[in-house]
Parts: sequence; C-alpha cells; structure tokens
Amino acid sequence: DARVTQTPRHKVTEMGQEVTMRCQPILGHNTVFWYRQTMMQGLELLAYFRNRAPLDDSGMPKDRFSAEMPDATLATLKIQPSEPRDSAVYFCASGFRLAGNTDTQYFGPGTRLTVL
Amino acid sequence: AQSVAQPEDQVNVAEGNPLTVKCTYSVSGNPYLFWYVQYPNRGLQFLLKYITGDNLVKGSYGFEAEFNKSQTSFHLKKPSALVSDSALYFCAVRLQGSTSGTYKYIFGTGTRLKVLA
Repeated sequence: DARVTQTPRHKVTEMGQEVTMRCQPILGHNTVFWYRQTMMQGLELLAYFRNRAPLDDSGMPKDRFSAEMPDATLATLKIQPSEPRDSAVYFCASGFRLAGNTDTQYFGPGTRLTVL
Repeated sequence: AQSVAQPEDQVNVAEGNPLTVKCTYSVSGNPYLFWYVQYPNRGLQFLLKYITGDNLVKGSYGFEAEFNKSQTSFHLKKPSALVSDSALYFCAVRLQGSTSGTYKYIFGTGTRLKVLA
C-alpha cells in the first residue's frame, strides 16, 4: 500500500529557529505539492514540483521559506527563521502526471508545526 | 478573482438519509473539479474528479458529484449516509498557472459533515 510519508509528524520549536520538514512521495510519482492548512486560511498551496523542478512557488513567502527536491524520493520544506504565524499543519502530496492527464493528489499525514 | 466556495461550514444528517455537500466555483474556462475528504489527524484523500463528459461522476465510498455548468456547482452527494462518513470535505478546482504547463489548485474552506446515528 504505497503512501506519502512525512517527517516529523509533530514539531514544536521556538521563534527564530530553523525548521525542516521532509516528504517522501510515492515511488514513481513525478509531481510533489506542499500545502499549509490553518483554521483561518484553510488549505493553501505553497509550492509544487514536477520531475524535481519547481514549477510554481508563488504561494510561498520567499524571504523565509524554501522548498527543494534533492532527489526523486525526497522533498524538503524549510523555514528559516520560523515565526509564530507559521504554526500550521503542513501537508505534502504527490501525484503522477503525463501530458493531458490530470493530477490526482495523494496526501501525506502532515507535519503539525507549533512555533512558540 | 477565481475561487471555490463551500457555503456550509457544517452539515448534519441522520444515518441512512441522503446527504449533499455544496460547492460552487468562479473560474474562467473549463475547470477540473475535485472532492477530497479529510479524517481527523490525517491528510486529504481523493474521492472523485470531473474533467469532462457525463455530469454525474461516481467516486469512492459510494459518493458521487454532479457538475452543473449553468449553476457553476459541483455538489457532493451520497444516497445513504453512514456514521463513518463523518469527516471534513474539501472541494477543489484546478486552474491554469501563470506559466505555461503549470497549474494551480484552489481548495474550498471545507465542510464538516456530521452523520448522526
């Protein structure tokens, strides 16, 4: 049963600290998404990659957030420095897209981040 | 602005009764539409999608959704609700991105479905 995995599942940190969240997409998937979920804003798309290349990161605050895919099995989302307003659940999702096909996204369980 | 609206924060329905979770959209062009479900402390799970063709789309767990172009709606339905259907439901639309070949996904704010035994 292939699944998207995310680590850590929970992270509590202090303001100003660096936070790195990791995601392992489903093997063979070529598209990876990062979302942030808060009560106030709902689910927001931060960035997405296809074949490891960033296609759209317009939803991500560039000054403190960065997203990378060092290889096809790992996606990272980094916040430096973290702020209390970054507290949210961060979801990674993966999918497989060929030309003309539509992404169906498979979500990981999320990383619940609390910045004190 | 392009958007997806789920007008109800919560829907309560008795077990065995039909359920409807509403979604309307405001986008240009022909959208691709999705429904996802989220159980507590879990990520979202895909239920169904509409791309083109038959306006009634069938998905997982007995759910279906009806695409209505004139009303710009994509309501989620199930003929007979189960207590285990209680969860948070999200409607989403796929839009063309700012760069050719890229896409954006906009999710609604979610509707909490509570099925009462």
